[in-house]
This record gives sequence, C-alpha cells and structure tokens, in this order.
Amino acid sequence: AQSVTQLGSHVSVSEGALVLLRCNYSSSVPPYLFWYVQYPNQGLQLLLKYTTGATLVKGINGFEAEFKKSETSFHLTKPSAHMSDAAEYFCAVSGEGYNKLIFGAGTRLAVHP
Amino acid sequence: DGGITQSPKYLFRKEGQNVTLSCEQNLNHDAMYWYRQDPGQGLRLIYYSQIVNDFQKGDIAEGYSVSREKKESFPLTVTSAQKNPTAFYLCASTERGGTDTQYFGPGTRLTVL
Repeated sequence: AQSVTQLGSHVSVSEGALVLLRCNYSSSVPPYLFWYVQYPNQGLQLLLKYTTGATLVKGINGFEAEFKKSETSFHLTKPSAHMSDAAEYFCAVSGEGYNKLIFGAGTRLAVHP
Repeated sequence: DGGITQSPKYLFRKEGQNVTLSCEQNLNHDAMYWYRQDPGQGLRLIYYSQIVNDFQKGDIAEGYSVSREKKESFPLTVTSAQKNPTAFYLCASTERGGTDTQYFGPGTRLTVL
C-alpha cells in the first residue's frame, strides 16, 4: 500500500538558513511524488512534482527536491529561508492505481529573524 | 480567471443536521476530489470522481455523500451520521487523474455547534 511519512511535524529555521523538510514514501508501483504548500486558512498549491526522468526537481520559490529510489525519499530543500516561506508543507505520493494522492501529515515551517 | 470555488467559507451546523458544501471548477477538469483536514493529520480523502455520474469512496467516506451530475460541480453533503464533522474541507480537481497536478479551492471550515 502507498504511504507517506514526513519526519518532524514542526521545523524552525533562521532567516537565511537552509530549509530541509523530510519525506519518505512507500509505494508498490513507480511513484509520482509531489510537494504542496499551504498558507493559513487557504487551499494547497503545488511546489514541485516528480514523474519520471531527472531525479532533481526544481520548483517554485527556490525550492527543490531529490528523488532517491534506494532511500525511498523525496526531501524538500531551499538554500536560504525567507520569512515568507513560513507555511505548512505536504508531501504526497500517487495511489496504487494512479487515480488519487496519498498525503503525509504535514510539516509546519517557522522562519524566525 | 480559471479556478476552483468553494462556498461558504465558514459554515456552522447544529448536531443532527445535514449540510452541503459547494465545489465548482471552470478548469474543464475531468477529476474532482474532496478532502478533510484536521490538525496533525494531513489531508484525508473522502470521495473522488473521475468522470460525470461516477464517483468512488476514499479513505473516510462514512457519513458523507456526493454527486457528480455536471463536470464542473462536485457537492459534498455531510450527514448527521458523521460523528465528528468539525473540520476544514478542501475540494480539488485534476485534468485527468491522480498523476496530474491537483488544484485546490480555498476550503470551507465547518463547525458543529
């Protein structure tokens, strides 16, 4: 069965520091992987996604993620955090029939001056 | 502007009442989804529909019902059978299916009094 584990429900970084949000997945089929961001009381918006091909995926707002099949990971990174990056981040994997997504529990990122 | 609209933004319901949440999209997407979001639990799939007049149960369908009579509309009814309906409800759509980018509405916050 498909599943997603996000390590750390809360992450706090200083402005300008590296952001690293961890995501591990389980999938019985070749996965499609996604990162979404949610600002308070809003819907989610796509940051980036991995389908096939290049394992390093670049997204919006300077974020990127690397698909590592051997580690079943899809960690999200950004070299330098901005205050505007404070939000909740969700990792997701495609369902077994590729007709739905399975979401992780989310990681809330706080950025302090 | 193309997108997904959800109404109302806030909804209050007395125990024992059914209530319907609206979701409309003008993206000409085939597939639509309803999620429930609770703190610390991520997004859980309630129902999804890949074509008009067809829909499938997600992981937490008990106490909910949906219809898909038109491509652009996918209303969700929270029935009195739902034991703990207070939550944030999100609607999403994709062009075809679960490997495509999901576009989310702004959400409806339902509170049972």
